[in-house]
Amino acid sequence: QKEVEQDPGPLSVPEGAIVSLNCTYSNSAFQYFMWYRQYSRKGPELLMYTYSSGNKEDGRFTAQVDKSSKYISLFIRDSQPSDSATYLCARGGGNEKLTFGTGTRLTIIP
Amino acid sequence: DVKVTQSSRYLVKRTGEKVFLECVQDMDHENMFWYRQDPGLGLRLIYFSYDVKMKEKGDIPEGYSVSREKKERFSLILESASTNQTSMYLCASRGPTGQGNTEAFFGQGTRLTVV
Repeated sequence: QKEVEQDPGPLSVPEGAIVSLNCTYSNSAFQYFMWYRQYSRKGPELLMYTYSSGNKEDGRFTAQVDKSSKYISLFIRDSQPSDSATYLCARGGGNEKLTFGTGTRLTIIP
Repeated sequence: DVKVTQSSRYLVKRTGEKVFLECVQDMDHENMFWYRQDPGLGLRLIYFSYDVKMKEKGDIPEGYSVSREKKERFSLILESASTNQTSMYLCASRGPTGQGNTEAFFGQGTRLTVV
């Protein structure tokens, strides 16, 4: 079983819509979860991270971890064309290995 | 500005060749990672290293080896390149244990084609 599973999409939404991206993970012992954003022909860059469970907000972005269902979510409010990218969920912090979901390609339509 | 540099952006090699992919980071990071990225399969971990001369297998180590002789440099070696190793290869580094470091910094990637 993969450590982190993610729907690859693609996902297209109109500008201004709320976007919901989701992943599931396999091991309830995992503590650190991240969302990376990858633009075309670039390496991934960290967008947000959460430790354990709960919500974390940063501007238009909210990351959420539900440990009871082993579910990771990223919400994007007031989506912009510049948000068009591939979004990757990941787990692993400190000295742990860092593993990723397959990534969801998101397109925001102006 | 933090930097992870991969030696080549594009590489074309012949089947059976020994291939070296080099990665250098300037952040004094303990942890370094090698991934390959393929459409529909995402980023898959090949090997990682949490210290000089230390290495751990990732999810798909077969056909690859690594070398970490110096802290700043992590090399990926394809012992005998095959066409199914045609892929985008990404190197990353991350800070030390115990600080809950989560941000990994990636290089720009090496697009390897094996013909």
